[in-house]
Amino acid sequence: ETGVTQTPRHLVMGMTNKKSLKCEQHLGHNAMYWYKQSAKKPLELMFVYNFKEQTENNSVPSRFSPECPNSSHLFLHLHTLQPEDSALYLCASSQDNPGSTDTQYFGPGTRLTVL
Amino acid sequence: TQLLEQSPQFLSIQEGENLTVYCNSSSVFSSLQWYRQEPGEGPVLLVTVVTGGEVKKLKRLTFQFGDARKDSSLHITAAQPGDTGLYLCAGSKETSGSRLTFGEGTQLTVNP
Repeated sequence: ETGVTQTPRHLVMGMTNKKSLKCEQHLGHNAMYWYKQSAKKPLELMFVYNFKEQTENNSVPSRFSPECPNSSHLFLHLHTLQPEDSALYLCASSQDNPGSTDTQYFGPGTRLTVL
Repeated sequence: TQLLEQSPQFLSIQEGENLTVYCNSSSVFSSLQWYRQEPGEGPVLLVTVVTGGEVKKLKRLTFQFGDARKDSSLHITAAQPGDTGLYLCAGSKETSGSRLTFGEGTQLTVNP
């Protein structure tokens, strides 16, 4: 039990659909992250939010739109995706304290398939 | 350019054997973390090493951070089928740990 939940666990969508991924953390952390995990590639950091403010966007295409309404919830809105966007999307949270090594706790991920 | 190289990428062994997984880089990291990920789940942290030359043990798992903090190894003694999973190393260049660079992972299968 990591304290980070993600819904849905599996999602199949067409290229013209609009869908959203949801992440919730129950650990009282102040930082949340979206990662993309594709086969035979390292985890790719997509977005970082700290105290609800986006602090990092790693050149992610605009068809991915994050939203962080509060420190416990993180969304990833998807529209007009491409088949190559099919991957496992992982959410993580941490207590971001400057000067210390903080552990990131991951959710179970959403397995996304774009047809 | 892959910042963190893990080897081997795939490893299939019999129960009871020993194994070592490597994580190498040309860059210096302030800390390095090892995760294990099982199918259908997110990565779970096993250990964090922060000091060059540091060795940490977690039951049958031994983790070492290189003296120059550029590489790390994970050694498993007497592997069990329950050790099966994807082992990921991740380096941080800030002591806050909020920015992690991941290796591709080593997929370990331990056969009964």
